[in-house]
Amino acid sequence: ILNVEQSPQSLHVQEGDSTNFTCSFPSSNFYALHWYRWETAKSPEALFVMTLNGDEKKKGRISATLNTKEGYSYLYIKGSQPEDSATYLCAFNSGYSTLTFGKGTMLLVSP
Amino acid sequence: DGGITQSPKYLFRKEGQNVTLSCEQNLNHDAMYWYRQDPGQGLRLIYYSQIVNDFQKGDIAEGYSVSREKKESFPLTVTSAQKNPTAFYLCASSMTGARSGNQPQHFGDGTRLSIL
Repeated sequence: ILNVEQSPQSLHVQEGDSTNFTCSFPSSNFYALHWYRWETAKSPEALFVMTLNGDEKKKGRISATLNTKEGYSYLYIKGSQPEDSATYLCAFNSGYSTLTFGKGTMLLVSP
Repeated sequence: DGGITQSPKYLFRKEGQNVTLSCEQNLNHDAMYWYRQDPGQGLRLIYYSQIVNDFQKGDIAEGYSVSREKKESFPLTVTSAQKNPTAFYLCASSMTGARSGNQPQHFGDGTRLSIL
């Protein structure tokens, strides 16, 4: 069974703070790393799919980096806003058609 | 708009009863998936299908069954053999092909199943 770990489990920041969280995954048999945002009462939404070591992707104030050799990815949010409050999921793919998800990081941004 | 529709949003099951959760997509995706979420756990894969008339067990398939008779539809039946069915169920779909692992999954809004 693949082990995908996310930390911290939850995070509470003030509006305007920048924040980051971590996803750790097996460094062997890596094919892709996915990030999803899951807002309350909505469906999970894909943020990034990363495949190359050293890759960095950006979507507005959110960016992600990937280190496949050591098996981790960071998700950064610059200048957090209340609408960024959500659970952020990462998922590991080893080249087959399925994903293994972490338990998520729950972010709460207070005004 | 293209997307995934799950129904019902809430479902109640009596002891010993089978119930079926619906999942329909109009994204023209070949692959479809069922996940279960429990408090404090990540999404766990129940079943998945990469093509019509074919499906594979995921990590927690016991007590569940699926069918894939049409590309658009992937219903999940929670049987009486599933002793702890109370959970939130998510359906997803994605493109397939040689690089299917780097295709994002698209999710429905989920069905919350409870035992009466």
